[in-house]
Parts: sequence; structure tokens; C-alpha cells
Amino acid sequence: KQEVTQIPAALSVPEGENLVLNCSFTDSAIYNLQWFRQDPGKGLTSLLLIQSSQREQTSGRLNASLDKSSGRSTLYIAASQPGDSATYLCASARSNDYKLSFGAGTTVTVRA
Amino acid sequence: EAGVAQSPRYKIIEKRQSVAFWCNPISGHATLYWYQQILGQGPKLLIQFQNNGVVDDSQLPKDRFSAERLKGVDSTLKIQPAKLEDSAVYLCASSLGTGGGYTFGSGTRLTVV
Repeated sequence: KQEVTQIPAALSVPEGENLVLNCSFTDSAIYNLQWFRQDPGKGLTSLLLIQSSQREQTSGRLNASLDKSSGRSTLYIAASQPGDSATYLCASARSNDYKLSFGAGTTVTVRA
Repeated sequence: EAGVAQSPRYKIIEKRQSVAFWCNPISGHATLYWYQQILGQGPKLLIQFQNNGVVDDSQLPKDRFSAERLKGVDSTLKIQPAKLEDSAVYLCASSLGTGGGYTFGSGTRLTVV
């Protein structure tokens, strides 16, 4: 059974600081890994999808890396803004059945 | 491209009542998922459909939860009777096929009192 862990559970930074969010998973046989953003009371918005054959994906200020051998993914958010305040969840899809397993998320607060 | 539509957005019911949620996935997406997200936790898969058929419902509490997908498009999730511990956000997601990127709806926040 895939276990996905996100540390820390919460993070508070001043505006302009770079954010580093960590995700670890126990089963390295993954099909892909996806990072989502969730605003309070809202659904999930997909940020980045990394296929198992890829090492990283970038979109604007966001960069996500994937290291299957160590069971880790990291989401970097450059030059954080108050609008980046949200909960960020990572989820891995297993190779055998593509089921998504989610971490509990990291809640980010960017202080103006 | 229109997103995944869900309704209602919020629902408050008393325990032992019944409730139903509706989801309309992205057009052409064969795979549809229902997730339950309890406050402070990541979403947990309840049921996965591939077109009309159920692929996985191993985590669905079948004594009280039921789901169907009509003609491989819209889906409904029902809870009868509801318990206090069913209070959660119910998320619907769809993907083009298994293993593709997921698109989630805005969710339905259920409060059971």
C-alpha cells in the first residue's frame, strides 16, 4: 500500500521568500506524481504532473522534481506571494493500477 | 474546456437522513472518481468508474454509500443513512484514461449534525 507523507504540515514565510515543499512515498513503482493546490473550501487545482520517466517539471515560478529511487518529490515556489497561500497536496499514481494516493498536504501562509 | 461540475456546493443534513451528490465530468473523460476528504487529511478514493463500469469500490462503505454513472457520463453518489463521521468534502475527478492527469471539481461540503 502506497503511503505518501508531506512535511511540514504547515509553513509560514514572509513574502518574497522561496518555498520548498517536500513529499515522500514508500513505493517507488509509480506511474506519475502530481502536485495540487487547494484553497479553503475549494476543490483541487492541478499544478504540475511529473511522469515516472521525468526528473522535473516547471511552470512559471513553480518547479517540481522527482527522485523515484529515493521516493521523494519536491515542489519549489520562487519568490512567494500572499496569493500563494493555500494547501499544497502531492499524490502518486501506482504503476499497476494508477490509483492516486494523497499526502495530507502542507498549508502555506505567505505574510505580506 | 469546461471543468468538472459538481452540485450542490454545500449541504447540511441531520444524521440518519439521506443525501445525494452529482458530478458531470469533462467531456470525453472515460474515468471518473469520487473522493472523500475529511478536514486536515488528503482525499481518499471511494469509487472509480471506467465508462459505465466500476473499477474499484473497495473503500466505499457499501452499507450506506452507493454510486452510479449514467451512460458513462454523469455520476451520482448517495449516502443513506448519513452518520456524523460522513462530514467531509466529497470531490469528483475525471481523467482521459487511467494514469492520466486528474481534473477535480470544486467539491461538495457535507455537514452532518
